[in-house]
Amino acid sequence: DAMVIQNPRYQVTQFGKPVTLSCSQTLNHNVMYWYQQKSSQAPKLLFHYYDKDFNNEADTPDNFQSRRPNTSFCFLDIRSPGLGDAAMYLCATSRAQGARTDTQYFGPGTRLTVL
Amino acid sequence: KNEVEQSPQNLTAQEGEFITINCSYSVGISALHWLQQHPGGGIVSLFMLSSGKKKHGRLIATINIQEKHSSLHITASHPRDSAVYICAVIASYGKLTFGQGTILTVHP
Repeated sequence: DAMVIQNPRYQVTQFGKPVTLSCSQTLNHNVMYWYQQKSSQAPKLLFHYYDKDFNNEADTPDNFQSRRPNTSFCFLDIRSPGLGDAAMYLCATSRAQGARTDTQYFGPGTRLTVL
Repeated sequence: KNEVEQSPQNLTAQEGEFITINCSYSVGISALHWLQQHPGGGIVSLFMLSSGKKKHGRLIATINIQEKHSSLHITASHPRDSAVYICAVIASYGKLTFGQGTILTVHP
């Protein structure tokens, strides 16, 4: 029944070692979002895809990249994780018609630890 | 000043009490989300509102667009309602602007 699935739920990586987080959805939604949420803070949007169109937030570091090979999957790549990148990473999806978007459905998140 | 302000920041209640969490925003919006996040967990979308009122089980959400204000009510609160409740507005295409969250603790 899970609609937005994130793998893994917990990821430990070493400082500077590339890491990839995965998100998949069974909703056939055309918009997918990646958020970063640090402890006791609100989620912060990193980027989103509308179908294959990639939209980066202005303040998202270059260290963060994303790929969406098909409608169902979206990946977050962190090229050289720093200690400050330790956070919960949330994937969300929504259906969109033109400029209007529907409710965002969130995945359970991946908690990233950087050693 | 944040674009989305929630009050209170922390709320403690006894089981069975009626709970209200408030959200005020300062920007024009197309819709407003109420979200729930359990400790260490992902986020669940409770409601998306653009006008009026919505009800789901013991949860009721209202919005007044003219006053730029929304409320989330929980009737007959239960310890399992303990979570962080987040108000988020959609001010431009698809992008959510989040409030700081309200930490709710319901004691048995």
